[in-house]
Amino acid sequence: QKEVEQNSGPLSVPEGAIASLNCTYSDRGSQSFFWYRQYSGKSPELIMSIYSNGDKEDGRFTAQLNKASQYVSLLIRDSQPSDSATYLCAVNINAGGTSYGKLTFGQGTILTVHP
Amino acid sequence: GAGVSQTPSNKVTEKGKYVELRCDPISGHTALYWYRQSLGQGPEFLIYFQGTGAADDSGLPNDRFFAVRPEGSVSTLKIQRTERGDSAVYLCASSPRGQVGSYNEQFFGPGTRLTVL
Repeated sequence: QKEVEQNSGPLSVPEGAIASLNCTYSDRGSQSFFWYRQYSGKSPELIMSIYSNGDKEDGRFTAQLNKASQYVSLLIRDSQPSDSATYLCAVNINAGGTSYGKLTFGQGTILTVHP
Repeated sequence: GAGVSQTPSNKVTEKGKYVELRCDPISGHTALYWYRQSLGQGPEFLIYFQGTGAADDSGLPNDRFFAVRPEGSVSTLKIQRTERGDSAVYLCASSPRGQVGSYNEQFFGPGTRLTVL
């Protein structure tokens, strides 16, 4: 079992729809969770971080965390063609409450938003 | 403010040669990370510095890879006797430490694309 798993997609949604991206992780002790967006040929860009169970909203983005199910998701509302990118889920696997160590990434989900 | 910078942006070398990749983190960030990303994969951890010391080097694939951060700012990743399998994008990230709410948020540089012929 991979430590961090994502559906590789591609996920295709129409403009204006909600895109839902999912991620599961194996280490129950993980504390910090991140979503990065990566455009083709570019480096990952941090878009959301979440540390507590529940939802965290930032503009059109909502991150959801369920530690009991070891599941984290990213919702993108009112999807735009400019949201088309690879979305990477990252987990601080060896985290304690204030760990600053390595991130373990999923393989990424390719999202395409078509007009 | 300025983000993480990496040089060179592209490096083409021949098998068996030595290469150095440089990373300049965000000013004031004490934690620095190196990752490697192959096509179609997520970044893979290599090494993490807290200040000048390597706090975790468990991701370095073998002893041909070495990294330093002598003054706690700029870091250099060094690869000896390069192999074709070393070809990848090498990413550097930095993170603030000790700031409330900054649970290891890492910010990436543009990467160095290494091609070993």
